[in-house]
Amino acid sequence: DTAVSQTPKYLVTQMGNDKSIKCEQNLGHDTMYWYKQDSKKFLKIMFSYNNKELIINETVPNRFSPKSPDKAHLNLHINSLELGDSAVYFCASSQERVSNEKLFFGSGTQLSVL
Amino acid sequence: AQKITQTQPGMFVQEKEAVTLDCTYDTSDPSYGLFWYKQPSSGEMIFLIYQGSYDQQNATEGRYSLNFQKARKSANLVISASQLGDSAMYFCAMRDLYNNNDMRFGAGTRLTVKP
Repeated sequence: DTAVSQTPKYLVTQMGNDKSIKCEQNLGHDTMYWYKQDSKKFLKIMFSYNNKELIINETVPNRFSPKSPDKAHLNLHINSLELGDSAVYFCASSQERVSNEKLFFGSGTQLSVL
Repeated sequence: AQKITQTQPGMFVQEKEAVTLDCTYDTSDPSYGLFWYKQPSSGEMIFLIYQGSYDQQNATEGRYSLNFQKARKSANLVISASQLGDSAMYFCAMRDLYNNNDMRFGAGTRLTVKP
């Protein structure tokens, strides 16, 4: 039973389209995250969210929006996709937003924008 | 500003030998956590080891140990008795209050284990 699951694993789409990536965690964690990994493997945090607070990395375009229907889900919606959005997107969760908690990662979604 | 630096883009090690992957960090918070993750070619992120800033002893997990030198702000990962399956990207990461305890990553080191 996968702890953090995200779908789809691969997403190929045209520029200008709108797409969503779904993420679910069954660990009972309070905090969820989205990371973007670029072609050079650099991992950059996009959002962190718990039931009290959404923190957005200031460099993330507002075409990206997280949507959390409940504590176990944090979906990523992307409007007007651009070529530069091509990357691997990882969902992750941790028990709390504290310094000693490790992150549990989903398996990643490889997004290719054509 | 909080920063994590991994100065070795790529490293090679002979099978069965030990290897050290470097990581330095910068934070003004007294309380922080340091982490190492492994990312094999299949892409998943695998947690390896954790070190808290107040921990007196270096963390160890099987063949992994963390050489924590607080005054030098370094948290190097030591892998003993390297195996072919250790070939992967390795990421150093930190959580501190300055960044809302969100985990930030270094650029990674690609380790290749030679037979």
